[in-house]
Amino acid sequence: DTEVTQTPKHLVMGMTNKKSLKCEQHMGHRAMYWYKQKAKKPPELMFVYSYEKLSINESVPSRFSPECPNSSLLNLHLHALQPEDSALYLCASSQEDGLAGGTYNEQFFGPGTRLTVL
Amino acid sequence: GENVEQHPSTLSVQEGDSAVIKCTYSDSASNYFPWYKQELGKRPQLIIDIRSNVGEKKDQRIAVTLNKTAKHFSLHITETQPEDSAVYFCAASKYNFNKFYFGSGTKLNVKP
Repeated sequence: DTEVTQTPKHLVMGMTNKKSLKCEQHMGHRAMYWYKQKAKKPPELMFVYSYEKLSINESVPSRFSPECPNSSLLNLHLHALQPEDSALYLCASSQEDGLAGGTYNEQFFGPGTRLTVL
Repeated sequence: GENVEQHPSTLSVQEGDSAVIKCTYSDSASNYFPWYKQELGKRPQLIIDIRSNVGEKKDQRIAVTLNKTAKHFSLHITETQPEDSAVYFCAASKYNFNKFYFGSGTKLNVKP
């Protein structure tokens, strides 16, 4: 299985709602990422988990809360979002162990969740 | 930190022509350089990558060249087809450092 899956595909929420985005991979990758992508812009890194521990937080507002319940799953909990948070949210994963060789740094992206905040 | 610059921002070519997209990076420790293709509304997909121990890599109509001294790398697409139309992003990363620095993207339009 060489896929990263994300649910839901689309999400519309109000500013007072609480929702969660989910990401799953079964490639044995130990690094997982959340990106935010606005139209016509590159993906913007939000969080990185390495071996289920948060290793990078790019100064993301606390209304975004990541969670890594196990090595295959990554969640992004959303609360009190603003309309400017509307974007495509991409999950990605990559192999962590450089000793494995091959495409150990290759990042696989999920299809994304299109989020609209009203 | 790393800074990746990408040019041009838009590129229009006739079907069958070649297309070249260029990126420069600032951190000499970067050693992994992937290229992603993103079609409208879809996920970025890796199309080719290169590591700093080689100067060129080819995969059918796609090639990437790397000049470590000048700190730049380029994507070359030959015999372009309409289905090559998409946004292309370059990126740079370091060994076992889980951060990818993306270029600003190039919108490639291949006219039939």
